Amino acid sequence: EAGVAQSPRYKIIEKRQSVAFWCNPISGHATLYWYQQILGQGPKLLIQFQNNGVVDDSQLPKDRFSAERLKGVDSTLKIQPAKLEDSAVYLCASSFEGVGSPLHFGNGTRLTVT
Amino acid sequence: GNSVTQMEGPVTLSEEAFLTINCTYTATGYPSLFWYVQYPGEGLQLLLKATKADDKGSNKGFEATYRKETTSFHLEKGSVQVSDSAVYFCALTPSSGSARQLTFGSGTQLTVLP
Repeated sequence: EAGVAQSPRYKIIEKRQSVAFWCNPISGHATLYWYQQILGQGPKLLIQFQNNGVVDDSQLPKDRFSAERLKGVDSTLKIQPAKLEDSAVYLCASSFEGVGSPLHFGNGTRLTVT
Repeated sequence: GNSVTQMEGPVTLSEEAFLTINCTYTATGYPSLFWYVQYPGEGLQLLLKATKADDKGSNKGFEATYRKETTSFHLEKGSVQVSDSAVYFCALTPSSGSARQLTFGSGTQLTVLP
């Protein structure tokens, strides 16, 4: 099966600029996640969607980050304006619903804010 | 809240050595437990999982046993190879509720020398 697709693979922007990331989950996976992975740390959940509804966005910095999942398939994550501390790898993952269902991750987008 | 604590790295071993990476967790009920692996430049891949107490997950020569009494899920491999060099993440999902996102440990960098 095709995996989780993410683009772009790399992005370099200046602080205060905006940036957007795109994710296409595995077909049939109702649940989609965005994680932020800062260098040397484990991934931290930003937002979780079930179909096109938000399940958990408690750790999303809503003053600058936004995400949407129109039609319950693809998703975009946006940062506006970016800060230096946003430099990280942004990982998208998807899963079936159900206890113990593993998450399948994309290769991530590496963001560098200068 | 839920949390995962991993042994700190980096860990450097010679080929064919025995590997243990310790992982303990804090969670209510019976969470599902996972080990993910991240090879350089790639996304996270599921290595193995266990969904109930005393279950043993295994894959590619790696094993981990879900120990409820010690709240642990230590990763072991009897004979590591150079190709096992990667970052290993322990993670859990809660056993109930709609927000079944993964909570990760901080990761352990493993380097295997020939």
